Amino acid sequence: GAGVSQSPSNKVTEKGKDVELRCDPISGHTALYWYRQSLGQGLEFLIYFQGNSAPDKSGLPSDRFSAERTGGSVSTLTIQRTQQEDSAVYLCASSSRGRGGSNEQFFGPGTRLTVL
Amino acid sequence: DAKTTQPNSMESNEEEPVHLPCNHSTISGTDYIHWYRQLPSQGPEYVIHGLTSNVNNRMASLAIAEDRKSSTLILHRATLRDAAVYYCILSSRGALTFGKGTMLLVSP
Repeated sequence: GAGVSQSPSNKVTEKGKDVELRCDPISGHTALYWYRQSLGQGLEFLIYFQGNSAPDKSGLPSDRFSAERTGGSVSTLTIQRTQQEDSAVYLCASSSRGRGGSNEQFFGPGTRLTVL
Repeated sequence: DAKTTQPNSMESNEEEPVHLPCNHSTISGTDYIHWYRQLPSQGPEYVIHGLTSNVNNRMASLAIAEDRKSSTLILHRATLRDAAVYYCILSSRGALTFGKGTMLLVSP
């Protein structure tokens, strides 16, 4: 497929457990973004990778959240010791250019995380 | 990123044009104006973006005020599939800051 893919599509976990969410960006896209959308809320920026540069982590809500991008392609968002307020749809996007404000971002379908 | 102001919701009839307004009075010279939309249960979808000049693409047109403090997304003929939340976003750094957006309701 040519689009951004995310897995799993749904994840139910218990409070206190760790979870990993995966994003496969569009091939060749150098920029990758993670956002989350809580029920009835707008999208909230979490973290942004651009090529080999240090990621912009300014949106991560706490140190329980971390993300990696291996080989400039696939990214994993890890949430440690999950809390109920972490329940949300986690969206990944990629673009061919990251710097500056003119890039078009392509979003994946999201992972719906439910923390019981 | 500078803030944008949009109406919470708008209604339209099918086949009619729709003008979705956005105010961004604190826009900076490097901010691009982006529009995305989000259909129910889907991720956001890019619609259009511009800097200073009006822009047209297959989905919509973007009219930007001369002072860039406001812009209007124009859907030339609304269809039922255009019912979505439309987000007007200013960005100069790559990552997008989404607000509440405008929920567009389209009636047959």
